[in-house]
Amino acid sequence: AQSVTQPDIHITVSEGASLELRCNYSYGATPYLFWYVQSPGQGLQLLLKYFSGDTLVQGIKGFEAEFKRSQSSFNLRKPSVHWSDAAEYFCAVGPYNTDKLIFGTGTRLQVFP
Amino acid sequence: GAGVSQSPSNKVTEKGKDVELRCDPISGHTALYWYRQSLGQGLEFLIYFQGNSAPDKSGLPSDRFSAERTGGSVSTLTIQRTQQEDSAVYLCASSSRMGDSPLHFGNGTRLTVT
Repeated sequence: AQSVTQPDIHITVSEGASLELRCNYSYGATPYLFWYVQSPGQGLQLLLKYFSGDTLVQGIKGFEAEFKRSQSSFNLRKPSVHWSDAAEYFCAVGPYNTDKLIFGTGTRLQVFP
Repeated sequence: GAGVSQSPSNKVTEKGKDVELRCDPISGHTALYWYRQSLGQGLEFLIYFQGNSAPDKSGLPSDRFSAERTGGSVSTLTIQRTQQEDSAVYLCASSSRMGDSPLHFGNGTRLTVT
């Protein structure tokens, strides 16, 4: 079955610390992978996406993610977290020809000053 | 330019009533999606419209749910005889389906069924 797992429901980090949010997927075909961020009271915004090519992708706001086929993972990273990064982060997988994406349950990030 | 607009932003209704949720996609976007976001359950795909093709309704949870898209633009999601388990945030997204264009999400409608 196709699925996305975000094992961490809630993560707390100090401002300036590094961050890694985990995402594992199960998908029968070549996966197209996405990370979205949802700030309080706002819609989801695309952070980055992986379709093909270089397995390390750069996104907005200083985020990056690495696709590891052997581990079925697409973890999101940021070297130094800012207080404004506090939000909920969703990993998603899907086919390219539609955006009928399968989303994970999200990881809520809290940032302490 | 204008983003995806959803209305109302909040809706409280009594169990058993019908509700309509509206989505105005970005102008020119041919693809439109409805998702449901329930607490602790991530986003659940509901329905997908692409151009003039028949919609993909495979995610609709029951026959109380329906959606239409008029003139290839505005979409309405209708929930009949609402139940408490329908309480969630309903998100609409649109896409131009050009190359690797991303989904653009609206801010959602928070539905509370009392």
